[in-house]
Amino acid sequence: QITMKESGPTLVAPTQTLTLTCAFSGFSLSDSGMAVAWIRQAPGEALEYLAFIYWHDDIRYSPSLQGRLTLTKDTSRNQLFLTMTNMDPVDTGTYYCAHFTSFRNTGYFDSWGRGILVTVS
Amino acid sequence: IVMTQSPRSLSVTPGQAASISCRSSQSLLKHERYHYLNWYVQKPGQSPQVLIYLASSRASGVPDRFSGSGSGSDFTLNINRVEAEDVGVYYCMQALETPWTFGQGTKVEIK
Repeated sequence: QITMKESGPTLVAPTQTLTLTCAFSGFSLSDSGMAVAWIRQAPGEALEYLAFIYWHDDIRYSPSLQGRLTLTKDTSRNQLFLTMTNMDPVDTGTYYCAHFTSFRNTGYFDSWGRGILVTVS
Repeated sequence: IVMTQSPRSLSVTPGQAASISCRSSQSLLKHERYHYLNWYVQKPGQSPQVLIYLASSRASGVPDRFSGSGSGSDFTLNINRVEAEDVGVYYCMQALETPWTFGQGTKVEIK
């Protein structure tokens, strides 16, 4: 069974850097076909993809946020880290990490964390 | 790829059918056979969960009253015999290329 859990600060000051941790179990990011993404949701708004990493270290960032995002991992501890610089109040929202089952160059998010609400103020 | 859903909200009588439309700004057809389109639902206070992948394949554990259809850039999620537990916001997502993009969501309420 795959589980995902986000952790990190829930309050960040404007211009500061946010670092979130995604701790997962039930798979390893070194296993073929595995992938994890960060997705966020502003209050009352739709889902927004942020960043994505495949098992072979192919990392994809949202073009609108590239430059502010960095995705790193600790495979031995089954953790994924998202760093977002220069935080702004518009970045307030719930941040999710989600496991992506991949196949035929596509896939779907089949396991999500509960999310962490980050307020920029 | 821009994803556009309609309607933005839907009020349904229990036991009735509901239908949500999703259009993509380009075809989601791949390998001349598969459409890379997923459907998710976010129930109140919960994280999203997958319903449909490859446009019409139900994810594990999803009731068979949910079905997906469509081709090219036009897709539909149908809920047959809506139940009270189906309330939530439904999102389509294209999985053809990164950045993965979601529709704006359709809020389903029960009358």
